Amino acid sequence: QPVLTQSSSASASLGSSVKLTCTLSSGHSSYIIAWHQQQPGKAPRYLMKLEGSGSYNKGSGVPDRFSGSSSGADRYLTISNLQSEDEADYYCETWDSKGVFGGGTKLTVL
Amino acid sequence: EVQLVESGGGLVQPGGSLRLSCAASGFTFSSYSMNWVRQAPGKGLEWVSYISSSSSTIYYADSVKGRFTISRDNAKNSLYLQMNSLRDEDTAVYYCARHSGYDYADYWGQGTLVTVSS
Repeated sequence: QPVLTQSSSASASLGSSVKLTCTLSSGHSSYIIAWHQQQPGKAPRYLMKLEGSGSYNKGSGVPDRFSGSSSGADRYLTISNLQSEDEADYYCETWDSKGVFGGGTKLTVL
Repeated sequence: EVQLVESGGGLVQPGGSLRLSCAASGFTFSSYSMNWVRQAPGKGLEWVSYISSSSSTIYYADSVKGRFTISRDNAKNSLYLQMNSLRDEDTAVYYCARHSGYDYADYWGQGTLVTVSS
């Protein structure tokens, strides 16, 4: 079973950019992942699907400020021109006959 | 517009049972696999169960296997989770989520809170 590792927290200033990382466990570096955003008190929201090649497909209505990239077993979510509403928990997800979620990264916008 | 609306949550005593429902609309429900995902208070997301579009394939997390049963009624565009022998650690918000063709959740419901407490 794959394991997804995320940093527990990150912070960046309003208007700046931040890059969040999700790392796949050994032997699973080719897996597709998805990124989800969960704003305080709300349900999760699907942001994008991200392949090992770095190709990504965003969900409906996801702003252009959100992009994805990959390097080996690492999957990245980059948020540009940070807004206050981007302060949220971000989870990565993958699948291998069962769902697997990373522990989530709490993003604080300063 | 895809909509997933959960219901059936509430307060239940340890050892009790509860049945959650998820009403789907805005897409062809019978063409998609579905999942239940939960989130304990202050914790991260935990996948609970999966059911394929025809109900032919079902998976459970080890933490709920033998206690929870996932099912669906494609004629009613509805997903269910029967939860038996509930424990304190089952306390969580339960979300239904549509399973995309590429194996991830692409739409989420708003969640329903299950509290297991005496």
